[in-house]
Amino acid sequence: SQQGEEDPQALSIQEGENATMNCSYKTSINNLQWYRQNSGRGLVHLILIRSNEREKHSGRLRVTLDTSKKSSSLLITASRAADTASYFCATDGPYGGANNLFFGTGTRLTVIP
Amino acid sequence: GAGVSQSPSNKVTEKGKDVELRCDPISGHTALYWYRQSLGQGLEFLIYFQGNSAPDKSGLPSDRFSAERTGGSVSTLTIQRTQQEDSAVYLCASSFAPYASYEQYFGPGTRLTVT
Repeated sequence: SQQGEEDPQALSIQEGENATMNCSYKTSINNLQWYRQNSGRGLVHLILIRSNEREKHSGRLRVTLDTSKKSSSLLITASRAADTASYFCATDGPYGGANNLFFGTGTRLTVIP
Repeated sequence: GAGVSQSPSNKVTEKGKDVELRCDPISGHTALYWYRQSLGQGLEFLIYFQGNSAPDKSGLPSDRFSAERTGGSVSTLTIQRTQQEDSAVYLCASSFAPYASYEQYFGPGTRLTVT
């Protein structure tokens, strides 16, 4: 399977702390994306990182990509209660030739006020 | 502008009945995707439409599942003779460009419950 796997499956932190989620995948990729999902409904795109990039920032989000280890991490700094959601990584592997995204199983983040 | 919309938001049906789920993509988006998400799981790809090309049906789990996209816009996912294992949230997404290398915009999903 080309599906990614997120680690941990669930994470609970206090408001203001940083949250780090990891994603591992199996095939070469052109890019990796992170999505957020509230309450089991639609997903919202957070950030896309290309295979030739190692790090990318967007507001309180920091994403890293290590293609040699086939892994990525999503860091949310200074977390807020509103960040409570499930976070998924998605890849376009192999070699970006797929029509669809391959999603991981997600990390359920709970930020305690 | 409006995002991706899906209807109905919730559908409860009896085992063996047929259901139709509708997706309205963002205007101008040529790519349209259907995914299925079972409780607490990741997304499972079902089918992909791109312009006037033949759809990629490689993710459809059985021949009870079919989908069409009329006029390159609205799409309907049909499940015939529903089974309890079909219960899931069905998500539609669209993208302005083909292939999976671009951001996808998701609708709110249809929660299907087969009793």
